Formats: sequence, C-alpha cells, structure tokens
Amino acid sequence: ETGVTQTPRHLVMGMTNKKSLKCEQHLGHNAMYWYKQSAKKPLELMFVYNFKEQTENNSVPSRFSPECPNSSHLFLHLHTLQPEDSALYLCASSQEPREETQYFGPGTRLLVL
Amino acid sequence: SQQGEEDPQALSIQEGENATMNCSYKTSINNLQWYRQNSGRGLVHLILIRSNEREKHSGRLRVTLDTSKKSSSLLITASRAADTASYFCATGESGGSYIPTFGRGTSLIVHP
Repeated sequence: ETGVTQTPRHLVMGMTNKKSLKCEQHLGHNAMYWYKQSAKKPLELMFVYNFKEQTENNSVPSRFSPECPNSSHLFLHLHTLQPEDSALYLCASSQEPREETQYFGPGTRLLVL
Repeated sequence: SQQGEEDPQALSIQEGENATMNCSYKTSINNLQWYRQNSGRGLVHLILIRSNEREKHSGRLRVTLDTSKKSSSLLITASRAADTASYFCATGESGGSYIPTFGRGTSLIVHP
C-alpha cells in the first residue's frame, strides 16, 4: 500500500455518460497528479495540483475535468469520452511539487464503449 | 520534454538469474528514478539516483548511472517470480520541469 487510494478500480462507460474518478492520499502530501497510461505508450501526465491549485494542464481535452477540493482529494470528471480514452488512469502525490519521488495509487481501469 | 527509453522492451528469465534493464535519455538530468508496476496496478518507487552519483544499491537492486553516456541500468540479482512486473525509468531534467518523465518500460517475466 502506497497511501494513495483510487475508486473505482474498474469503470465501463458509454460515450454519453458522465462519471467521476476519485483519488485520496493519506500521506499529508501537497501535490497531486493525474496520469493516463495506454497500452504501448509512455505514461502521460495530464494534470498537476499544488496546494489545491492547478499548476499544469498538459493539453488535455476538455472532456476531462479535474477537481481538487483539498490537498488530500483529487477528482477527474469524465463526460462524452471517446473509445480511445480507454486506459488506466493513475493518481499520484508527492510531498511538495518539487519533490522528485511520487507515490501512485492502484489506478482506475476505464473502458469507453 | 525528453523521456527515458528502456531496453529491452521485454525480458524473460528463470528464477535465480540476474535481470538487467537499461535506460537511455537525451538531455542533462538532475536525477533518474526507477519504478516498478505490477500488471494493471500503480507504480511503486524503487530507487532514485542523482546526477552526481554513479551507483546505488537497495537490497537486490543495483542502479548505475553514466551521465557521459546518458544511460542508466537496473540490475536485479537472484530474481524471484515475484519480481515479474514492468520496470520504468523516469528522468528529472536539469533546469526543467520537476515532474519526472517516464519511458515505455521493460516487461520482466521471471519463470519459477
């Protein structure tokens, strides 16, 4: 256990659905991240939050909408996704934004039909 | 941003053998990290080596860094079936983003 939890672990949704992914870290960290991991591709950074403020948006389509209500929780709201958005979505946290080592959650396996 | 590239993409060995994975990168770095990922799970940090270090050990893991060749290697000695996983290197650029940039990974299978 890394101290970072994600729910749900698996999600199947249609292209017209709206769903949310949740991440919670129990480590007292101040920075949180969303990554996308597709087959045969490097891990792609999506968003970075530092003390609840978004500091990076890596050209992510607007159908992905992050929310960080406090430094322990991070959400990724999904709507009108495409089949190519099917992937493993990983949440991570670090003590500070400039801390090199990140702690990852187990991920949410998303399938868009 | 530049990323590390792991080699080989896949490695299959017998339990008890050593496994060596390599990572090459293109620009100057502050540090390089190795992570492990079990199938369909999150990444787990293994070891971080800074640009002024040449070798680091942690249990059965040995990491080397050659900044002149812009490469790193991860050696797992006396491998076990439980070492079966994907291994990723992540580079932290010198003067660049603090966020590590990951490669595609090496898939290691250790046969019992």
